[in-house]
Amino acid sequence: AQSVTQPDIHITVSEGASLELRCNYSYGATPYLFWYVQSPGQGLQLLLKYFSGDTLVQGIKGFEAEFKRSQSSFNLRKPSVHWSDAAEYFCAVGANLPSRNTNAGKSTFGDGTTLTVKP
Amino acid sequence: EPEVTQTPSHQVTQMGQEVILRCVPISNHLYFYWYRQILGQKVEFLVSFYNNEISEKSEIFDDQFSVERPDGSNFTLKIRSTKLEDSAMYFCASSLSEGGPQFFGPGTRLTVL
Repeated sequence: AQSVTQPDIHITVSEGASLELRCNYSYGATPYLFWYVQSPGQGLQLLLKYFSGDTLVQGIKGFEAEFKRSQSSFNLRKPSVHWSDAAEYFCAVGANLPSRNTNAGKSTFGDGTTLTVKP
Repeated sequence: EPEVTQTPSHQVTQMGQEVILRCVPISNHLYFYWYRQILGQKVEFLVSFYNNEISEKSEIFDDQFSVERPDGSNFTLKIRSTKLEDSAMYFCASSLSEGGPQFFGPGTRLTVL
């Protein structure tokens, strides 16, 4: 079964500092990987996604993520954080092998990382 | 870029009442999903739906829940008799293929009083 681990429950960075949010996944083949951001009381906004190809993926709002198969990781990065980036960030994995036996359709989310930005 | 839409954005109901949450998936998608997120917790899978039938459901998706695709565009989640613990954000998602990437709607916040 697929799973996602976000080791950091809460991260605090200063505005203008760089950011890296960790995500590790467990899946038997190459998965689809996603990062979502959620502001308090709001829905999920897709930041970026990885399907195949270039392992460095560019997203919206200046975010990027790198898929590292050897480490089963898909860490999210931003070179310079803005105060408006304060939110909850979720990593998710979706299977890319269609199979009813493995129930490949659903996405599995990590527990999330709360980002606080200090002025 | 096409997107998944959900209505209403916020629904308040009394315990024991029926609610219907509506979703319009991306038009050429064939697989549909509902997820739930209780406040402060992670997003949890509820149910997947394809070809007018449920493909998979989680243990959360009990007899109080049902899903339907009443026409060619809408996908609904019905909760027959809401409980306090049903208060959550409900997300709809759709994908073109069973193993394909899912695209999420903005969510409906359900508050049960």
